[in-house]
Amino acid sequence: EAAVTQSPRNKVAVTGGKVTLSCNQTNNHNNMYWYRQDTGHGLRLIHYSYGAGSTEKGDIPDGYKASRPSQENFSLILELATPSQTSVYFCASGDPGLVYEQYFGPGTRLTVL
Amino acid sequence: GDSVTQMQGQVTLSEDDFLFINCTYSTTWYPTLFWYVQYPGEGPQLLLKVTTANNKGISRGFEATYDKGTTSFHLQKASVQESDSAVYYCVLGDMGYKLTFGTGTSLLVDP
Repeated sequence: EAAVTQSPRNKVAVTGGKVTLSCNQTNNHNNMYWYRQDTGHGLRLIHYSYGAGSTEKGDIPDGYKASRPSQENFSLILELATPSQTSVYFCASGDPGLVYEQYFGPGTRLTVL
Repeated sequence: GDSVTQMQGQVTLSEDDFLFINCTYSTTWYPTLFWYVQYPGEGPQLLLKVTTANNKGISRGFEATYDKGTTSFHLQKASVQESDSAVYYCVLGDMGYKLTFGTGTSLLVDP
């Protein structure tokens, strides 16, 4: 069954530490996305990718980097984690042929102390 | 840039009540509008899509309508069930296949 999986599902990090969130999709979709979800803000786009080797800045990219080494994998990197990055992070995949439908993973809850 | 506004943060209903959620949007493009639903512990999933061509979408008993004159977008259901308890997001799609989410409306249906 096609799916989007995320790891880890929960993460506690220290301020100033490096955090890597991983996403894998078996949908064979070209596009992948990273969002964060916060109360009062809905989901906001951090970075996205149109295919292996490509990354694009979304609406709130500051403090985050992204890496797309293959069609299946898309990582979100916090080089120097801060408490303001405490949030739930969602990865999604999509394809232009689907006309905007995106398939979301189950989310990663990140707490930065 | 594109924006979406959902004023109803939380809605509490009883089973068989009528549901109506309103959303307004702003964009420079011809909009493609969606409702995504998020059940507890899961990521969002597509519920409905509405384009300027059809003005209406229907799925799983839910109906979405779009009014270009008032740039508003509504979600309604005639009779909600406890299983409909979830967060509903009004979403705007742009030409780059990116989505702009509203802040979400949390629906709680009492049995």
